[in-house]
Amino acid sequence: EADIYQIPRYLVIGTGKKITLECSQTMGHDKMYWYQQDPGMELHLIHYSYGVNSTEKGDLSSESTVSRIRTEHFPLTLESARPSHTSQYLCASSDTGANVLTFGAGSRLTVL
Amino acid sequence: GDSVTQMEGPVTLSEEAFLTINCTYTATGYPSLFWYVQYPGEGLQLLLKATKADDKGSNKGFEATYRKETTSFHLEKGSVQVSDSAVYFCALRPFGSATGKLIFGQGTTLQVKP
Repeated sequence: EADIYQIPRYLVIGTGKKITLECSQTMGHDKMYWYQQDPGMELHLIHYSYGVNSTEKGDLSSESTVSRIRTEHFPLTLESARPSHTSQYLCASSDTGANVLTFGAGSRLTVL
Repeated sequence: GDSVTQMEGPVTLSEEAFLTINCTYTATGYPSLFWYVQYPGEGLQLLLKATKADDKGSNKGFEATYRKETTSFHLEKGSVQVSDSAVYFCALRPFGSATGKLIFGQGTTLQVKP
């Protein structure tokens, strides 16, 4: 039973389009994260948030942006998609104790 | 900085074989250690964890022991099933970190054949 939801699961778009990947969690977690997973399966943190109106860049530089206006919602936006943005994007959340991350099912983005 | 290294895959086993996936880490202090599993087409799920030295995490027949002296957290299972086919990630949360950020290994693909 998923407590963290990502929409869409799969998206194929053309170069230059603006896209938003949605992530919502129903657990009331303060902390949320976006990881990018490359074809070799490695995971890289690209954004995280400690709470409402708090966002930080992760360890891997990304052209995407995020916002955190509500506790349960942490969307990721690409203003102008390029083929190099083709990847799987995984959203996760954790409670204040930050002991365990709960992941969504992922959004697989393909930019042609 | 802190890092995690896993054995390269893919690992291919026959059903009921013994599984070991090696994981070693570099970190200061006493990080928390985790194994996550990713089934095809899905996100990551927590498999097990250990938060201090000599702790053993276990779940679904999988086990891993936090070995501070060898900086290791190897994953083991006595008898694998076809349904265990997935990608396995070792991860650490740095000592004293309140952010929840995890550092992941590169993942090890396990294929179990009937």
